[in-house]
Amino acid sequence: AQSVTQLGSHVSVSEGALVLLRCNYSSSVPPYLFWYVQYPNQGLQLLLKYTSAATLVKGINGFEAEFKKSETSFHLTKPSAHMSDAAEYFCAVTGGFKTIFGAGTRLFVKA
Amino acid sequence: EAQVTQNPRYLITVTGKKLTVTCSQNMNHEYMSWYRQDPGLGLRQIYYSMNVEVTDKGDVPEGYKVSRKEKRNFPLILESPSPNQTSLYFCASSPGQGRSSYNEQFFGPGTRLTVL
Repeated sequence: AQSVTQLGSHVSVSEGALVLLRCNYSSSVPPYLFWYVQYPNQGLQLLLKYTSAATLVKGINGFEAEFKKSETSFHLTKPSAHMSDAAEYFCAVTGGFKTIFGAGTRLFVKA
Repeated sequence: EAQVTQNPRYLITVTGKKLTVTCSQNMNHEYMSWYRQDPGLGLRQIYYSMNVEVTDKGDVPEGYKVSRKEKRNFPLILESPSPNQTSLYFCASSPGQGRSSYNEQFFGPGTRLTVL
């Protein structure tokens, strides 16, 4: 069975500050992990994905995530937040044909 | 333009009145899926389809039906909608799952359904 836990339903940062969104997973098989972003009134779009090629994964818009098997984590980071990063972020795990999403973390960016 | 389209985008209906939400993709993807999004719960998978005529239940299939008669289309059917099916629904497609479950999914714009 697979599951995803996103710590913090809301995260608020100042513009220019570090963004850290936490994701922990459980999986009985080697996981494929994803981060998606959802802007208001839109569908989800892929930020980045982990497919076992490299533990540090770089995505779009300056985001990156590090896969840590020992901690079963896949936290999303960005060194410097921008106002346009305000959105909801979802961590997801895929194994076989099913996908499990976390509950989401809404990121607020203060000017 | 490569995309997943859903119709309608917004729908208000009454309890028990059958409805269909259509989903179509133009990327020749094998895999398609339906999700519902509810506040605080994220996205939950309703049904998925690995290819034409092959479908299976996700985590919340009760009250929903699907069919996959053509590769590009994957309609979601609510035979007797109830208020607890009020939600935001997303269709998604992917080049393939299972043997290539590292592929990301491409999402439609969503359908906001209200059942009174």
